[in-house]
Parts: sequence; structure tokens; C-alpha cells
Amino acid sequence: DQQVKQNSPSLSVQEGRISILNCDYTNSMFDYFLWYKKYPAEGPTFLISISSIKDKNEDGRFTVFLNKSAKHLSLHIVPSQPGDSAVYFCAAYNNAGNMLTFGGGTRLMVKP
Amino acid sequence: EAGVTQFPSHSVIEKGQTVTLRCDPISGHDNLYWYRRVMGKEIKFLLHFVKESKQDESGMPNNRFLAERTGGTYSTLKVQPAELEDSGVYFCASSQDIAGVLYEQFFGPGTRLTVL
Repeated sequence: DQQVKQNSPSLSVQEGRISILNCDYTNSMFDYFLWYKKYPAEGPTFLISISSIKDKNEDGRFTVFLNKSAKHLSLHIVPSQPGDSAVYFCAAYNNAGNMLTFGGGTRLMVKP
Repeated sequence: EAGVTQFPSHSVIEKGQTVTLRCDPISGHDNLYWYRRVMGKEIKFLLHFVKESKQDESGMPNNRFLAERTGGTYSTLKVQPAELEDSGVYFCASSQDIAGVLYEQFFGPGTRLTVL
């Protein structure tokens, strides 16, 4: 049973506009949520994280929002740039478990 | 500082053969993880080492998979005998762990395994 889900396999956005990537989870025991970015033939690289006790974390063009009651988080990229084109993975972490639980990924394409 | 490295980058073998994947974590990282992505789906946890000890191997699919981390440095993941469903990309990651605080897991580029 998948505990972290990304229901949109792909997203296409025009350069300069906002990209919104969504993620849903089922396990209320997760302590942190993370977003990883992955280019072809490379491993995932950490982008931004949020603690389960916060509802927003911002880092430059990237903002992650957490809605615990809905068990939903989203990543906003503003403004989107062609170099942001990649697969984005949502992941969750439990202090007791130490492993990351990943969603299936969303392929973002930012068109010039 | 060198990142996480994995060898080989690609491996194509026939069903029934043996393959050994290697991971060199970032120097000084006690935590080493193996993950696998099959058929473009989600990345799934396989196991976690703290130094040379297996902390959690709950994600290992079956006893055809054997992971080792002798001396607490590099790790190997052996698949013997390989089956068709073992095809996928195997990622290794490493992290620090100071006083139980979550630290970022740094991923290697992965090994793409194809079993024919």
C-alpha cells in the first residue's frame, strides 16, 4: 500500500509562471516531508523540506506548503525556469524508521 | 568533497546470473541506504546500514538479495540468482546522523540493472 502518492505523473508549465506539484500521504506519523529533484541518469537531489509541525517553508523560488488535516503537501516554484525541468519526488520521513518513503514522482516540463 | 558513487552505472545480465553492485558513500557518513526504483514507479527503500551494522532491512524483497558493508565504508548489494523482476535502478544514499537529527540523504547516480 503506497503511503505517499503523487497523482500527477506529469506537468507542463510556461517559463515564468508558477509550477505547483502535489503530494498526498496516508501515514500521520511522518515527521518530515521532503522534495527531491531528479535529472535523467542522476540520483535524486534534495530540494527543500518541511517539519510536520510547520505549514510553510520557503527557500528562494521554492515554497513547500503542508496541510496536515488534509494529509497533503505541495511544492510551488515561482517563477518556473527551463532548468527546473526534471522529475520531482515527494518523500516522507519518520524519526523512528530513518528511511525515506517516496511518491511515484511528477515530471515537470517548463517550456521557454 | 566527492559525492556518493556507484558502480557499475549499467549492468545487463541474464536470468539466473549473479550481479554485485557497489556503493561508496560520502566520507564520514555512517548511514548508508539502498533504494530501488522499478519500472519508473516510486523509489522504494531496501535497507539501512549504520556503520557496518544492518539497522533496518525490512525492504529487502527476498533472500536472493544480500547486502554487506564490511568495515563500515563501502557497501555491496548482491543479487543471486537474478530474476526478471529485479530489473530497475538501484540507488545508494548516505547521510550523517548526529544526535538523532534528520540529515539530508545524498544519493548516488544509481545502477541500472537489466535482467534478460
